[in-house]
Amino acid sequence: EVVMTQSPAALSVSPGERATLSCRASQSVSSNLAWYQQKPGQAPRLLIYGASTRATGIPARFSGSGSGTEFTLTISSLQSEDFAVYYCQQYNNWPRTFGQGTKVEIK
Amino acid sequence: EVQLVESGGGLVQPGRSLRLSCAASGFTFDDYAMHWVRQAPGKGLEWVSGISWNSGSTPYADSVTGRFTISRDNAKNSLYLEMNSLRAEDTALYYCAKVLKDRSGQKGVFDIWGQGTMVTVSS
Repeated sequence: EVVMTQSPAALSVSPGERATLSCRASQSVSSNLAWYQQKPGQAPRLLIYGASTRATGIPARFSGSGSGTEFTLTISSLQSEDFAVYYCQQYNNWPRTFGQGTKVEIK
Repeated sequence: EVQLVESGGGLVQPGRSLRLSCAASGFTFDDYAMHWVRQAPGKGLEWVSGISWNSGSTPYADSVTGRFTISRDNAKNSLYLEMNSLRAEDTALYYCAKVLKDRSGQKGVFDIWGQGTMVTVSS
């Protein structure tokens, strides 16, 4: 199975600052990589798929990049509603696998 | 409104069985593959199983292979997960999720999620 490793585990950021989250795959997943946001008590929300395509309704401050084994989610200017846990997921291989998550906290 | 509503969770003893259901509305159910994803308390997301639109493909995570069975009834707009030989490590919130479809077809990502149904396996 493809192991997805996210870093850092937690990130403290001030509102308005930039946040950069990383996701590494144990083997190439091409561009078949998605990012989700999850807030406490809520289901995950799809942010990015195809490594860099924003899902419907996702603000432009969220951007994704990368291919192969190295991927990045960037939040250009953090808003209060962006403090949450973020997961990457590969869909190039079965089983589908998620990273362990990065918690973005208020600094 | 596109909606997924899970049901069937509860407290069950180890070794027993449980059947989860997911009722879909607001979209053409039989156009989409569907999946189950679970989340143990305080932990991350774990993909469990998926099913193609016509039930022709039903992959499973290794952790549930041979114990769980996914199925769907397109006439009832419903997705199911039959869980047998339950273990303590199956304790989790179980989400059903719909795959995304864009102009280039269906993707293996999940754009609509239910709110989940909690399964607790304990004696």
